[in-house]
Amino acid sequence: QKEVEQDPGPLSVPEGAIVSLNCTYSNSAFQYFMWYRQYSRKGPELLMYTYSSGNKEDGRFTAQVDKSSKYISLFIRDSQPSDSATYLCAIMNTGNQFYFGTGTSLTVIP
Amino acid sequence: DGGITQSPKYLFRKEGQNVTLSCEQNLNHDAMYWYRQDPGQGLRLIYYSQIVNDFQKGDIAEGYSVSREKKESFPLTVTSAQKNPTAFYLCASSTPNNSPLHFGNGTRLTVT
Repeated sequence: QKEVEQDPGPLSVPEGAIVSLNCTYSNSAFQYFMWYRQYSRKGPELLMYTYSSGNKEDGRFTAQVDKSSKYISLFIRDSQPSDSATYLCAIMNTGNQFYFGTGTSLTVIP
Repeated sequence: DGGITQSPKYLFRKEGQNVTLSCEQNLNHDAMYWYRQDPGQGLRLIYYSQIVNDFQKGDIAEGYSVSREKKESFPLTVTSAQKNPTAFYLCASSTPNNSPLHFGNGTRLTVT
């Protein structure tokens, strides 16, 4: 079983829609959770970083962590064409080991 | 501006040649990492270094080598022993104590 599982999509939504991106993980000891955005031919850019259950909001982005279900989500409100990218979830254990999902490709259609 | 610089952006080599990818950071981060990204496979760890003059193998170190002579620099050499070297290579860095990774913009290596 992989440490992190992520639906690869692709996901296509109209501009203004709410987008939900999701990952599940296997080890309940994982404590730190990240979402990265990666544009084509670029490196991943850190969007959200959280270490507790619950929600964390930053502008149009909300990261949600449910440790009891081992489930993490990223919500994008009022999606824009500029949000079209691949979104990677990542998890870190206390030993600074990182585990990445395979990424979900998102296209926002104007 | 602080950040991670990878060069070159695109690199082309003939099979059988060694090639070195550059990674420099001015974030004053102690830890540096090299990942390989292939379509549908996510990020795979090649090597990482927590401190100068020390580094550890990741999940797919065979055919690769690194050095860490300076805190700011962590070059990766792709040797002729690497069977499938064509890929997108990402360098990252972080501070200790459970901090997230920060990535460079990658080098696309094509070997023919």
